[in-house]
Amino acid sequence: DAGITQSPRYKITETGRQVTLMCHQTWSHSYMFWYRQDLGHGLRLIYYSAAADITDKGEVPDGYVVSRSKTENFPLTLESATRSQTSVYFCASRQDSVSNTGELFFGEGSRLTVL
Amino acid sequence: KNEVEQSPQNLTAQEGEFITINCSYSVGISALHWLQQHPGGGIVSLFMLSSGKKKHGRLIATINIQEKHSSLHITASHPRDSAVYICAVEGYNNDMRFGAGTRLTVKP
Repeated sequence: DAGITQSPRYKITETGRQVTLMCHQTWSHSYMFWYRQDLGHGLRLIYYSAAADITDKGEVPDGYVVSRSKTENFPLTLESATRSQTSVYFCASRQDSVSNTGELFFGEGSRLTVL
Repeated sequence: KNEVEQSPQNLTAQEGEFITINCSYSVGISALHWLQQHPGGGIVSLFMLSSGKKKHGRLIATINIQEKHSSLHITASHPRDSAVYICAVEGYNNDMRFGAGTRLTVKP
């Protein structure tokens, strides 16, 4: 199906384990983003990517790693999960940066719990 | 002080009422986004604005760049409009700052 999908939708892990959240989009959008949403903080940008092999840090990048070897995929890895990374993670994509095609499309979210 | 402030935080309205949600920001922006988050958690983009006004169905969004202020209006509100509405401002290098959201409940 066309669109932007995240997996897994729900994940429970333990402190210190590595976790990877997957994001896949079928539109060949240039830009992809990872956000986390926490009560009291709203959405915050973790990392973004302007194209394959180009990634940049957002507001809260510490403890996260991203890669973008293919345009359609943008995985987010927590190399050693901590309780403070318990959150809902949203992936988003857009065609262009600042133009009439700049609408953001969000995945369904991945709820991660770190015990 | 947050860079993006929304008001009110919570809003309850009767079906049919005209609703206004406000967003003020303190940084220079290239665009402003209004998003809708449904009770199930999904997020949908409603508008992206860099100037003026946009309308889509019963929703109208306006922005005043000089005053650093935007409003989202819903005319003839309906219970299905119940959601959290989020304002986000975008800088010139793809960084985005989000408001805390306004929780709207429309009662039949």
